[in-house]
Amino acid sequence: AQSVTQLDSQVPVFEEAPVELRCNYSSSVSVYLFWYVQYPNQGLQLLLKYLSGSTLVKGINGFEAEFNKSQTSFHLRKPSVHISDTAEYFCAVIRTDSWGKLQFGAGTQVVVTP
Amino acid sequence: GAGVSQSPSNKVTEKGKDVELRCDPISGHTALYWYRQSLGQGLEFLIYFQGNSAPDKSGLPSDRFSAERTGGSVSTLTIQRTQQEDSAVYLCASSLALLPGANVLTFGAGSRLTVL
Repeated sequence: AQSVTQLDSQVPVFEEAPVELRCNYSSSVSVYLFWYVQYPNQGLQLLLKYLSGSTLVKGINGFEAEFNKSQTSFHLRKPSVHISDTAEYFCAVIRTDSWGKLQFGAGTQVVVTP
Repeated sequence: GAGVSQSPSNKVTEKGKDVELRCDPISGHTALYWYRQSLGQGLEFLIYFQGNSAPDKSGLPSDRFSAERTGGSVSTLTIQRTQQEDSAVYLCASSLALLPGANVLTFGAGSRLTVL
C-alpha cells in the first residue's frame, strides 16, 4: 500500500507566482518527513526535512513545508518561484519502525514558465 | 569521495543478459541504499545495507535481483536474465546512519539501464 500520496502529478506555474505541492501520508506509527528535488538530468537532493519540533520547516532555495499531524500532511510551498525551480519534487517518509526504508511519493513535476 | 559515484551511467543490454551496476558511497557513510526510478512508477525502494547488519532486501522485485556490499563500502547491484521491464534508472544513495537525524540520503546520478 502506498504510504505517501502526492496529489498532483504536474503543476504548471508562472514565474514569480506562489506554488504549493501537496503530500499526504498514512502510517500507524510516527514518521519523519522529507522533500527531495530532482532537477533535469541531475540526482535527487534534499530540500528540507521534518524530524521533530516546530511544524514549519524551512529548506533551501526559499522552500518551506508544514507538518500537520491531524491531517497527515506535509505540503511544500514557495511564495515566488523562478524558472530554475522547474524540477520534479518528491515527498518521502520514514516510519519509525523501519528506519532504513525511505518511501517516496510518485513525484510532482513543476514547470515554471515566464 | 565527495559524492556518491555510480557506474556505468548508461547501460544498454539485450534481454536475457546479466548486468552489474556499481555504487561507490561517500566515505564514512555506513548506510547504502538502492532505488529504482521508472516512468510511471516513481522511486521504488530495492534494498539497503547498514554496517555489518543483514541487509533489508524486502524491495527486490524478484530473485533475479541481488546486491552485495563488500567491505562496508562499494556495492554492486546485479540483475540476472534481464527483462524489458527492468529498464529504469537505478539510483544509489548513502547516509551516515539509519538514525533519523543522520538519515539524510545523498543520491548518485544513477545508472540508466535499457533492456532491448
